[in-house]
Amino acid sequence: RKEVEQDPGPFNVPEGATVAFNCTYSNSASQSFFWYRQDCRKEPKLLMSVYSSGNEDGRFTAQLNRASQYISLLIRDSKLSDSATYLCVVNDEDTDKLIFGTGTRLQVFP
Amino acid sequence: NAGVTQTPKFQVLKTGQSMTLQCAQDMNHNSMYWYRQDPGMGLRLIYYSASEGTTDKGEVPNGYNVSRLNKREFSLRLESAAPSQTSVYFCASSGFGTGGAWADTQYFGPGTRLTVL
Repeated sequence: RKEVEQDPGPFNVPEGATVAFNCTYSNSASQSFFWYRQDCRKEPKLLMSVYSSGNEDGRFTAQLNRASQYISLLIRDSKLSDSATYLCVVNDEDTDKLIFGTGTRLQVFP
Repeated sequence: NAGVTQTPKFQVLKTGQSMTLQCAQDMNHNSMYWYRQDPGMGLRLIYYSASEGTTDKGEVPNGYNVSRLNKREFSLRLESAAPSQTSVYFCASSGFGTGGAWADTQYFGPGTRLTVL
């Protein structure tokens, strides 16, 4: 089993739609979780950290489910500019290194 | 602030050639990293440096060497390039935090696209 697994997509959604991505992780001891955004042929950039209580930043909401070992990202009112690949990132507490998922591609169409 | 800069942006090598990828950050971060990104594989850590003067192997160090020249600069060297090293290489940096360096946000450079023929 991969340490961090994501559905590669693509998710094709119309503008204004709500879309959600899940990511599962294998190490139950993991404590830190992040969502990064990567535009085509660009570097990854932090979108948001994921806190135990869940957190919201504008149209973006991140949730953590420790019992089932997954994190989620919800995007409301999708914009064309949201089109990108979203990387799930987990801090491996055993090695203290970040483990990156392969990413979920989102395409928002007019 | 420029953040994290990398040179070159693109490079084509022949098998057996050597080259050095340069990375510099102006955020006064202690930790720096080198990753490679391949289709369907996600970002994989090659080497990292938790502080000036220290370097450690990551997940895929074979065929690479690194130098932490000073706090700002962290270079990656391919001594004898192989086609399997065709990839996009990203440098990143992060600062110290209460959760340790790894829990902090990592800031990435724009990447170097390397092709080895």
